[in-house]
Amino acid sequence: NAGVTQTPKFRILKIGQSMTLQCTQDMNHNYMYWYRQDPGMGLKLIYYSVGAGITDKGEVPNGYNVSRSTTEDFPLRLELAAPSQTSVYFCASSYGTRRNTEAFFGQGTRLTVV
Amino acid sequence: AQRVTQPEKLLSVFKGAPVELKCNYSYSGSPELFWYVQYSRQRLQLLLRHISRESIKGFTADLNKGETSFHLKKPFAQEEDSAMYYCALTVQGAQKLVFGQGTRLTINP
Repeated sequence: NAGVTQTPKFRILKIGQSMTLQCTQDMNHNYMYWYRQDPGMGLKLIYYSVGAGITDKGEVPNGYNVSRSTTEDFPLRLELAAPSQTSVYFCASSYGTRRNTEAFFGQGTRLTVV
Repeated sequence: AQRVTQPEKLLSVFKGAPVELKCNYSYSGSPELFWYVQYSRQRLQLLLRHISRESIKGFTADLNKGETSFHLKKPFAQEEDSAMYYCALTVQGAQKLVFGQGTRLTINP
């Protein structure tokens, strides 16, 4: 099983460039999440989705956009990259039901904005 | 709003010593609490959840609603326990999964 797959693993962007971080899961999970992990700051929720066609903002959504056109995919878009967006980004998914709330994570994308 | 606080960014103990990683949360309802772990060069993964009341790799955690805490404990630390530990919270119906800042645990030989 592939689980949660993120691409790319590493990326360097110039200020003002745009890019899309891809995330796909093959577990038929309803819930999907995007987090950023800054050194010493833990994981902060950027956006989340409870199903295809439904997305909502997390703690730090500014500068990002998401879409959820299918159950499997949850891409994260950066329109105008800024140095403050240098971070490690994690995608996660879960069933979201009371009996099965375990979240499964991708391997992360390390993004540097210069 | 839900919030998870892990007061220790770094924790270092000797092998064989007891370990306690602290986690406090704020939420007025009935949360579900988790501990996730990230070993070196591995993905973040679930360690345990409070509703399971289980011991995983010798770790246990008890939800104390009065103190709004969910501390992670292990009586005898092992070197392979060195990792980053995150406490997390979700609220039934709210869908969001919120993490604390994380504690980097180092077990010294």
